[in-house]
Amino acid sequence: KAGVTQTPRYLIKTRGQQVTLSCSPISGHRSVSWYQQTPGQGLQFLFEYFSETQRNKGNFPGRFSGRQFSNSRSEMNVSTLELGDSALYLCASSFGTTSSGELFFGEGSRLTVL
Amino acid sequence: QQQVKQSPQSLIVQKGGISIINCAYENTAFDYFPWYQQFPGKGPALLIAIRPDVSEKKEGRFTISFNKSAKQFSLHIMDSQPGDSATYFCAAPVRTDKLIFGTGTRLQVFP
Repeated sequence: KAGVTQTPRYLIKTRGQQVTLSCSPISGHRSVSWYQQTPGQGLQFLFEYFSETQRNKGNFPGRFSGRQFSNSRSEMNVSTLELGDSALYLCASSFGTTSSGELFFGEGSRLTVL
Repeated sequence: QQQVKQSPQSLIVQKGGISIINCAYENTAFDYFPWYQQFPGKGPALLIAIRPDVSEKKEGRFTISFNKSAKQFSLHIMDSQPGDSATYFCAAPVRTDKLIFGTGTRLQVFP
């Protein structure tokens, strides 16, 4: 069974640009959640999608957005990039909601903003 | 946003020793408290989880202790091994059913 796939794995952008990250969940999983990981801040919750609907959202500015498609694949977008957006962005999928069972994480997309 | 407090931030243990990591949460309406383990360059992976109809759960060398009244839970790693060196995250489902992670504990086990 294939795991969670995130693309791209690494990317470098400059301030003001925008970026789109992609996540393909494990087959059959309906929930996809996104986390930002930075040293010292741990895993900060961005948002969760379940059957194409956003169930929850973290405390991030509106520059961070996401969506989920009918095949459960998800994308997140960050517009007007800032230096502080440099981080590892992790996607996780689960069969049910994130608060009820095991999350399966991808290896992340490492974003560097110059 | 941080509603899950994890300590210590880093931990150095000798091989064979006991590693203890603590977490405290604020409020939750749901009963599922997992611990995740992350190795460098990898995404976190579920290590062990507890549903607090019990106060303790043990899987091999790993044990979760849960204190519902104090809103605290901890991870104990017995007979710590160099292969346990990783970053550990606790998590709790808070308020509106979001799974919130602690800030992580970097564990180093020396031979």
